[in-house]
Amino acid sequence: QQQVKQSPQSLIVQKGGISIINCAYENTAFDYFPWYQQFPGKGPALLIAIRPDVSEKKEGRFTISFNKSAKQFSLHIMDSQPGDSATYFCAARNNYGQNFVFGPGTRLSVLP
Amino acid sequence: SQTIHQWPATLVQPVGSPLSLECTVEGTSNPNLYWYRQAAGRGLQLLFYSVGIGQISSEVPQNLSASRPQDRQFILSSKKLLLSDSGFYLCAWSVVGGKNEQFFGPGTRLTVL
Repeated sequence: QQQVKQSPQSLIVQKGGISIINCAYENTAFDYFPWYQQFPGKGPALLIAIRPDVSEKKEGRFTISFNKSAKQFSLHIMDSQPGDSATYFCAARNNYGQNFVFGPGTRLSVLP
Repeated sequence: SQTIHQWPATLVQPVGSPLSLECTVEGTSNPNLYWYRQAAGRGLQLLFYSVGIGQISSEVPQNLSASRPQDRQFILSSKKLLLSDSGFYLCAWSVVGGKNEQFFGPGTRLTVL
């Protein structure tokens, strides 16, 4: 129940296209859902996060869509750029826990 | 502003040798601290977390141990490294009762030969 599932494992998108990464969870106690971006050899960096009281959050070209009833959330990258090529992790945390549960990651490649 | 440091950045060690990786956080007090391991092309596996000095929780049984001798210092250790200990080790911190954001350090690439 602590698991966060993430798909696809890898994704190739043309420059200017839309990248979509999906995550699903089981634990209804999760109440914070961040996305992290990791470049090779670097630590993950927080990209955008959402709480389940909203269905969508947008920051620049990055949008999180959240479906509480389906227990799913997704990251949309609009107008994808080669500089977006990285590994993306979704994560979840519950309000009374100290720990974050991470998805296995999606390796995104944006072709020029 | 808060910063998190890890060292060394890279490390090559023989099997059976000891290990000590250090993580320090600046600009905050009483953070939650975490050690993760990331195998090549894989996700993040939580190894240890700490909510205060001397308080360590282990998530998986393994060859590693952690200690928190000071509020903003977190150390990952091993007495005898195994080949399977190779990986990318990440330290992270979060604010207790804060926005729940977790911030990662730059990582240490450990290769056990």
